[in-house]
Amino acid sequence: EVQLVESGGGLVQPGGSLRLSCAASGFSFSNYWMTWVRQAPGKGLEWVANIKEDGSDKNYADSVRGRFTISRDNAKNSLYLEMSSLTGDDTAVYYCARESWGPHDWGQGTLVTVSS
Amino acid sequence: QSALTQPRSVSGSPGQSVTISCTGTSSDVGGYKYVSWYQQHPGKVPKLMIYDVSERPSGVPDRFSGSKSGNTASLTISGLQAEDEADYYCFSYAGSFYVFGTGTKVTVL
Repeated sequence: EVQLVESGGGLVQPGGSLRLSCAASGFSFSNYWMTWVRQAPGKGLEWVANIKEDGSDKNYADSVRGRFTISRDNAKNSLYLEMSSLTGDDTAVYYCARESWGPHDWGQGTLVTVSS
Repeated sequence: QSALTQPRSVSGSPGQSVTISCTGTSSDVGGYKYVSWYQQHPGKVPKLMIYDVSERPSGVPDRFSGSKSGNTASLTISGLQAEDEADYYCFSYAGSFYVFGTGTKVTVL
C-alpha cells in the first residue's frame, strides 16, 4: 500500500523559512516523479512543484519559483520542499503526491501557517 | 500559469447525471492527453477519480467518466448518489508545469 507522510509544517513568521519532508513507503520511490500540491484555507488546489525520478529535472509554479526548492533522497525514500521568503499567501496545507502525469496517491498533508 | 476554468457549482437529483466542464487552452487541456479529475470531501484529502482524460483508477465506480473535446475536458457523474456531493477539480499537464482547475461544488438535491 502506498503511504506518504508529510511533516515539518508549523507556524513561521513572514520572511521566514521552513523545510517540509515527505516519507514514502509501499512503492519503489526512485521510479516515480513526485509532486507537491498546496491548498490555502477555504481555497482550491494549487500545483507547487515536481521532481523527476533521479532529481535531474525540477519544475515550479510561477508563484513559488525562486523561493521554493524541491529535492529528494532516494536512499531515504524521502521528498523535501525548502521554502523561504514566506508570506501569508503561502499559508496552506501542503500535500506530497506520487505522480504519473498528475498526482495519483496523496499524503495527508501538513499545515504551514505564515503569520506574525 | 492560469487556472483552468470550471463552473462554480452544479447540482442534480439522485439518479440524474451531471457534467462538469474544464476549459483551458491549446497549451494545456487541448495540447495533451494528461487531464485528471479529483474529488475532495470537506476536510479530506483529494482523491483521484479520472486520469489520462478518461481512465478510471481501480476502485472508482464506473458512474464516473471523463472525456475531452478541443480545449475543454469534462467529468460526467451518472446515477448521482448522495456520497458524490463534494468538490471536484480538474488538472492538466501544460508543458513544463501543471495547472488545476478552479473547482466545482457538486450538490445532490
